[in-house]
Amino acid sequence: EAGVVQSPRYKIIEKKQPVAFWCNPISGHNTLYWYLQNLGQGPELLIRYENEEAVDDSQLPKDRFSAERLKGVDSTLKIQPAELGDSAVYLCASSLAASGDYEQYFGPGTRLTVT
Amino acid sequence: AQTVTQSQPEMSVQEAETVTLSCTYDTSESNYYLFWYKQPPSRQMILVIRQEAYKQQNATENRFSVNFQKAAKSFSLKISDSQLGDTAMYFCAFMNLGGGGGSNYKLTFGKGTLLTVNP
Repeated sequence: EAGVVQSPRYKIIEKKQPVAFWCNPISGHNTLYWYLQNLGQGPELLIRYENEEAVDDSQLPKDRFSAERLKGVDSTLKIQPAELGDSAVYLCASSLAASGDYEQYFGPGTRLTVT
Repeated sequence: AQTVTQSQPEMSVQEAETVTLSCTYDTSESNYYLFWYKQPPSRQMILVIRQEAYKQQNATENRFSVNFQKAAKSFSLKISDSQLGDTAMYFCAFMNLGGGGGSNYKLTFGKGTLLTVNP
């Protein structure tokens, strides 16, 4: 069974440019998460989806970050415009939390460098 | 809000020996899970072991076991017979399962412990 897929794996952009990350969760997983992981830190939740509904976006900086999961399957996280402080790894995870199975499966992440 | 504290930024152990990683947490919730995740240098986060708060018995998974002290809010990970492949960052994480609300089901992570297994 394929795991959580993320692309791109690495991205280098200049500040003020837009950037987008894509995540395809494990087939059938109804809950999808985007986490931000700064160097030397644990991941922090940005947004959680149950199917296509964003049920927890309290930590998402909405002035520059947006996310969507239109059909309840894959998801896109966007930053516009990017700032130097956005350099980090962006992790996607999925689970069956909405069905009572709470184990989260993580993708390999996208390492963003803003110059 | 929940907090997770890992007081050991780095640890090392000799191959085949046993090592214990510490984790404490703070919560007012009663229904929650605790997890240990492993993140090797490739950065793919992998679940090592999990513990349901309502279970008194400590979870075990092969060479990995936990010491869950609910009253003390402590959740340590013991790795027996350490192997070179155990070298990774280990994260302790908390998940609230409280009734309703958007803040449930998210993982709150500690800052991690970098474990190095030496040959």
